[in-house]
Amino acid sequence: AQTVTQSQPEMSVQEAETVTLSCTYDTSESDYYLFWYKQPPSRQMILVIRQEAYKQQNATENRFSVNFQKAAKSFSLKISDSQLGDAAMYFCAYNVIYGGATNKLIFGTGTLLAVQP
Amino acid sequence: DGGITQSPKYLFRKEGQNVTLSCEQNLNHDAMYWYRQDPGQGLRLIYYSQIVNDFQKGDIAEGYSVSREKKESFPLTVTSAQKNPTAFYLCASSIWGVETQYFGPGTRLLVL
Repeated sequence: AQTVTQSQPEMSVQEAETVTLSCTYDTSESDYYLFWYKQPPSRQMILVIRQEAYKQQNATENRFSVNFQKAAKSFSLKISDSQLGDAAMYFCAYNVIYGGATNKLIFGTGTLLAVQP
Repeated sequence: DGGITQSPKYLFRKEGQNVTLSCEQNLNHDAMYWYRQDPGQGLRLIYYSQIVNDFQKGDIAEGYSVSREKKESFPLTVTSAQKNPTAFYLCASSIWGVETQYFGPGTRLLVL
């Protein structure tokens, strides 16, 4: 079965510090995509960063970067210089080809990140 | 501004009633999706549509129905057959063949 596991239900970080959120996944596919989405209190899902499995280089978006370890099936998110606005639920997601066609996202259960001033 | 809109923000359903959640996008995306989110869980796929007049069941389609008469619109009906409808419902869309999905603001459905 294709699953995504986020083992940290809650995390806390001091403002301006760095925090890493963990994610592991299970798949037999060789080509796929991985995502981190942020869900603030408004509950809108916002794309933070994405990684293509065939690329060895880790994706980076400003203060957000990933550590993608394909062999270990690990995809962690690092947030540098944490800001109060980073406080949210973070979901790791994996993309599969569903029904031979469209892309289905498999989500983890989320990590709730608190940022302390 | 391009984006995805969902309405209403909150919806109340009485016992035995069907209710419809609206999802509209002006991103010119081909594919649209409906997800359900329960507390302590990630999102689960209800239905998806790749093109107009075509849609497919996701993992938890029982008790739900959809239509796709226009590219911009993908309404979800929660029928009386759905015995536990209380949840947060998210609509998403994507360009066909491109893996990234973009989400609307969601609808919270509560049962009276």
